[in-house]
Amino acid sequence: RKEVEQDPGPFNVPEGATVAFNCTYSNSASQSFFWYRQDCRKEPKLLMSVYSSGNEDGRFTAQLNRASQYISLLIRDSKLSDSATYLCVVKGNNNDMRFGAGTRLTVKP
Amino acid sequence: DVKVTQSSRYLVKRTGEKVFLECVQDMDHENMFWYRQDPGLGLRLIYFSYDVKMKEKGDIPEGYSVSREKKERFSLILESASTNQTSMYLCASTRDRVTEAFFGQGTRLTVV
Repeated sequence: RKEVEQDPGPFNVPEGATVAFNCTYSNSASQSFFWYRQDCRKEPKLLMSVYSSGNEDGRFTAQLNRASQYISLLIRDSKLSDSATYLCVVKGNNNDMRFGAGTRLTVKP
Repeated sequence: DVKVTQSSRYLVKRTGEKVFLECVQDMDHENMFWYRQDPGLGLRLIYFSYDVKMKEKGDIPEGYSVSREKKERFSLILESASTNQTSMYLCASTRDRVTEAFFGQGTRLTVV
């Protein structure tokens, strides 16, 4: 079983839609959590960290549920520029860092 | 500005060759990582290092080795390249267990 499992997608949504991605992790001792964005043929870049209390950055909201071992990302009012692959990332307590397989989002006019 | 630099963007090597992929970071980060990325499989962890001369196996270490002789440099070595090692290789570094990772631009390796 993979340590980090993510919705496979792809998600194709119209502009203005709300879309949610989920990710589960298997190691209950995991320390920190992130969402990264990867554009085609580019390296991943940090979208936002995920905190236990949940956090928001503009149209983006991240949630962490430690009891159920999942993290989520909600994007409201989708823009064309949100089209990318979204990767959930889990850091363990032994300095490791693992990624989900990624979910591709396409926002259409 | 934060920088992780991989030595090559594109490489073509022959089966059986010994291949070195180099990664250098200028942020004095403790942790460095090597991943390979293949369509549908995401980033898979090959090896990581949390200190000079320290290394840990990731999920797919077979056929690879690593070297970290200096804090800023983490090398990935393909002892005898095979066609199934054709992939995009990404290096990353982080300061600690809780802060974000920074990536190099990737090396697309083709083994023929």
